[in-house]
Amino acid sequence: DAKTTQPTSMDCAEGRAANLPCNHSTISGNEYVYWYRQIHSQGPQYIIHGLKNNETNEMASLIITEDRKSSTLILPHATLRDTAVYYCIVRVGGIQGAQKLVFGQGTRLTINP
Amino acid sequence: GAVVSQHPSWVICKSGTSVKIECRSLDFQATTMFWYRQFPKQSLMLMATSNEGSKATYEQGVEKDKFLINHASLTLSTLTVTSAHPEDSSFYICSARDLGTGSSPLHFGNGTRLTVT
Repeated sequence: DAKTTQPTSMDCAEGRAANLPCNHSTISGNEYVYWYRQIHSQGPQYIIHGLKNNETNEMASLIITEDRKSSTLILPHATLRDTAVYYCIVRVGGIQGAQKLVFGQGTRLTINP
Repeated sequence: GAVVSQHPSWVICKSGTSVKIECRSLDFQATTMFWYRQFPKQSLMLMATSNEGSKATYEQGVEKDKFLINHASLTLSTLTVTSAHPEDSSFYICSARDLGTGSSPLHFGNGTRLTVT
């Protein structure tokens, strides 16, 4: 699976949009971009994923560049509960069951009141 | 949505004893589950892939005789930490994937915090 690069930490004011970047310059055509977050002492929580088109759900939006070498996770109105470590992971899709996720160090996002 | 349940959420045991952690997929079947370990201030490290009806696949450096994995049904995988020592104290997390679609995400349990005294 392609490697990802994320900033170590970011701060954002409560109520503002939080934009978390991720570089995945070696991504291949059949690899999806997944975002998870981990709030302290909990298991990772799935946020969103995409292949090439931008995606939006109730939690966030995912913007993938046209060349797919980078993406941005957008939390439109950040709240204090969004403080967490955010992980960007790329992996091959497909119906095989053994598609493990390898976690990098992620971005520690702090939402400030 | 897909739910993965882990039990217990925390456990304290004495050095030399064994501890079993359960991971269940509550509303879907999972032929494959994954076990991770996380030390304080570090990221998740994959330990092993649990395969229903067959032997688990362990990542390099993970002792298979120490971390016994059993995946006896499509909804249950167990991780047993045998002869636990204080250095095994960690946060253990399992995950599973609903095979409904090709790109469906992995869902994670809430983790088990193991403290070995």
